[in-house]
Amino acid sequence: AQKITQTQPGMFVQEKEAVTLDCTYDTSDQSYGLFWYKQPSSGEMIFLIYQGSYDEQNATEGRYSLNFQKARKSANLVISASQLGDSAMYFCAMREGAPGYSTLTFGKGTMLLVSP
Amino acid sequence: AAGVIQSPRHLIKEKRETATLKCYPIPRHDTVYWYQQGPGQDPQFLISFYEKMQSDKGSIPDRFSAQQFSDYHSELNMSSLELGDSALYFCASRPGAFLSGELFFGEGSRLTVL
Repeated sequence: AQKITQTQPGMFVQEKEAVTLDCTYDTSDQSYGLFWYKQPSSGEMIFLIYQGSYDEQNATEGRYSLNFQKARKSANLVISASQLGDSAMYFCAMREGAPGYSTLTFGKGTMLLVSP
Repeated sequence: AAGVIQSPRHLIKEKRETATLKCYPIPRHDTVYWYQQGPGQDPQFLISFYEKMQSDKGSIPDRFSAQQFSDYHSELNMSSLELGDSALYFCASRPGAFLSGELFFGEGSRLTVL
């Protein structure tokens, strides 16, 4: 079974609008972490936001917020006030187990296109 | 701030040749990861090292090998290259005890096998 599921292959949004990118995850671990990374066409992977499984509040980083619904095992990324520079591929990723040396598993990604 | 440095950024090889990718982690990061991202694919974990020892192994082909050196830089060696090895290869690093487990990625090395 897929550990990370991103059901939206592509999303279109107009500049200045908000957009939600979906991510659901599957783990039996009590301790885990959820991440969102942005990959522009240039290829680099840019860290956006992190949510720990024990964090009670949703993570926020500037225009990015993570809508964490633990019971539903979802960790959606919300981008407020989209900008043209937000056009990129977005990956949801999960670290299973306690923070340590475990690696990240990525979803298939969602391509976001922001239009003027 | 210093980031993860990967070299070369671009590499073109022919089938059956060998290639070596290098990764220089962020200073004081002792854990290094290698990921492979095929065209239009999500990154797939290959292998990781902590304190110069292999710490985890993913879907790394037997034709590939990697190691971490005393200065914490890492090299990924790929032999008998196949067309399907064409991909973006990421190195990522983090301090071993980092609270969140966030990986800091390099800009990637793009390998094209002809």
